[in-house]
Amino acid sequence: QSALTQPASVSGSPGQSITISCTGTSSDIGAYNYVSWYQHHPGKAPKLIIYEVSNRPSGVSNRFSGSKSANTASLTISGLQAEDEADYYCNSFTTSTYWVFGGGTKLTVL
Amino acid sequence: QVQLQESGPGLVKPSQTLSLTCTVSGGSISTDSYYWSWIRQPAGKGLEWIGHIYASGRTNDNPSLKSRVTMSLGTSNKQFSLKLSSVTAADTALYYCARGNHGLAAFDIWGQGTMVTVSS
Repeated sequence: QSALTQPASVSGSPGQSITISCTGTSSDIGAYNYVSWYQHHPGKAPKLIIYEVSNRPSGVSNRFSGSKSANTASLTISGLQAEDEADYYCNSFTTSTYWVFGGGTKLTVL
Repeated sequence: QVQLQESGPGLVKPSQTLSLTCTVSGGSISTDSYYWSWIRQPAGKGLEWIGHIYASGRTNDNPSLKSRVTMSLGTSNKQFSLKLSSVTAADTALYYCARGNHGLAAFDIWGQGTMVTVSS
């Protein structure tokens, strides 16, 4: 099973919105609504920010939102803040009963 | 508040077995609501799911690792472990343990990670 495909980098200015895509196949993203997103500041533990495509864990800002269409999931961050600068990873369950991650996207806040 | 902490040797020789332990504080691993997972990140690359173990001892692992993975539970309900055999330089990575949550279908708690280098 190949890794999910994410853009290597995205950037935006404070206050703007950005969207990170995560493309898979009908065997992972397209098969289940078990897509999650993680924020990772280097040197720290990754943090779950979206689960089951569009749900936010308690304590996660509502500036983070998720969606899915067919084999592609998306993470949108609105009202960009400097603290949002981090690496973001998507993850999906697969029909082979294991988990696959995306290659990661580096978000730069200009 | 549940926390996870990885521990183990930072340097392993090629062809040997990498062994890591994850210690769970603030909670117990003896519940089927969670699956106790290992995930790694080679330098400059993305995350890779290695496998997970349930409180029952049942395991699932990534087929790409070609059956080199062994996972086990500790005797205290506070630890679980990973063994990866026949390591090569390609196994050099930052290794994380994480808690998979059935109710969320996601990894909701992660350790800080431990760096393992495979080198002679």
